Amino acid sequence: SAVISQKPSRDICQRGTSLTIQCQVDSQVTMMFWYRQQPGQSLTLIATANQGSEATYESGFVIDKFPISRPNLTFSTLTVSNMSPEDSSIYLCSAGTPDTEAFFGQGTRLTVV
Amino acid sequence: DQQVKQNSPSLSVQEGRISILNCDYTNSMFDYFLWYKKYPAEGPTFLISISSIKDKNEDGRFTVFLNKSAKHLSLHIVPSQPGDSAVYFCAASAGISGTYKYIFGTGTRLKVLA
Repeated sequence: SAVISQKPSRDICQRGTSLTIQCQVDSQVTMMFWYRQQPGQSLTLIATANQGSEATYESGFVIDKFPISRPNLTFSTLTVSNMSPEDSSIYLCSAGTPDTEAFFGQGTRLTVV
Repeated sequence: DQQVKQNSPSLSVQEGRISILNCDYTNSMFDYFLWYKKYPAEGPTFLISISSIKDKNEDGRFTVFLNKSAKHLSLHIVPSQPGDSAVYFCAASAGISGTYKYIFGTGTRLKVLA
């Protein structure tokens, strides 16, 4: 199994600002992902963080709004840029290898005011 | 397009009885299926998984059944305990369009009544 540390655990931000969320995995993993869970909703995949190259974004998510870095196999960041109240959500980092379970961090609860 | 669906948003079960949570998927490329439990203010916790080459996997009180022809899977919890009360998500995974990804269902909130 993998232990995933995510920070901050929560934040309240002003609209128009940006927040960077960090994710650290305690072992080398092939894949890292970023999800969003809006209130009462499912976990929606934002993007797959690729080591040393641009992330692969899902439909409806773009790099300008959610830039992602993955400088090595165990660390990734997600930035929520130019925030609006609609970005208020829980953001979750996940890591895994194909055909096995993905593990999750505890999430970052973001409130934009 | 919701590729993984959980049609029951909530379920209440008496303690000691069986809980059955259902999940349907549409993409036949999915080849690995998982169930997660989520408590408020925590990340999802992995429960049990099943490969598409199997139709059943059991781990203690948890059993997952897969019906590939119906594109349906279910999670059975028996006996149910109050501590099982949480939101349960099913997920499906596969290599799609050159990347491997996990797609989650909408979740079912299970309440086990003491």
